[in-house]
Amino acid sequence: DAGVIQSPRHEVTEMGQEVTLRCKPISGHDYLFWYRQTMMRGLELLIYFNNNVPIDDSGMPEDRFSAKMPNASFSTLKIQPSEPRDSAVYFCASSPPGYGEIYNEQFFGPGTRLTVL
Amino acid sequence: GENVEQHPSTLSVQEGDSAVIKCTYSDSASNYFPWYKQELGKRPQLIIDIRSNVGEKKDQRIAVTLNKTAKHFSLHITETQPEDSAVYFCAASINYGQNFVFGPGTRLSVLP
Repeated sequence: DAGVIQSPRHEVTEMGQEVTLRCKPISGHDYLFWYRQTMMRGLELLIYFNNNVPIDDSGMPEDRFSAKMPNASFSTLKIQPSEPRDSAVYFCASSPPGYGEIYNEQFFGPGTRLTVL
Repeated sequence: GENVEQHPSTLSVQEGDSAVIKCTYSDSASNYFPWYKQELGKRPQLIIDIRSNVGEKKDQRIAVTLNKTAKHFSLHITETQPEDSAVYFCAASINYGQNFVFGPGTRLSVLP
């Protein structure tokens, strides 16, 4: 398996533009997580899905951020309109199904480095 | 909600020495504690984890200890090597890993 795939790897955009980040989880994994990483705030969980359904979006910073998972093999994180303070590395991660006390590693993608000018 | 603190924020050790990173958590319901290593420019990767019903776990040069009463857990790296240089994140989860709260990270530098 190729692991978690994210695109694009780098994105440079201007303030006010719409940005869409994409993620393909590992096949068979039914949990998908979106994180944001900055020097100031570290690794923050933005939202996670189970079986394509958003479970917890309390980490989404504001209404400018939205995430979807239309099927088991694809998710998007959209920022509209983008602002300079959104500049960060955005990671997608996935993990296998968990049952009871079976805990599961989260596998991270390579990340998308977003720069908003 | 859960809050995870991590100390120190930076740590420098001589090659061959041991390194210890400590984390505390706030939610007594947390039951899973992974440690992730992130090399410069790379993705975080799991290096070791521990469940709440275990006090200690070892994997070669790496060990993790958990004190549930005090709500703290630690990462121990022995015989450090230059390739151990990275940022290490601890995390806590209340539902066996379905969502984590990460600590702020510790930048470890192993000096030759």
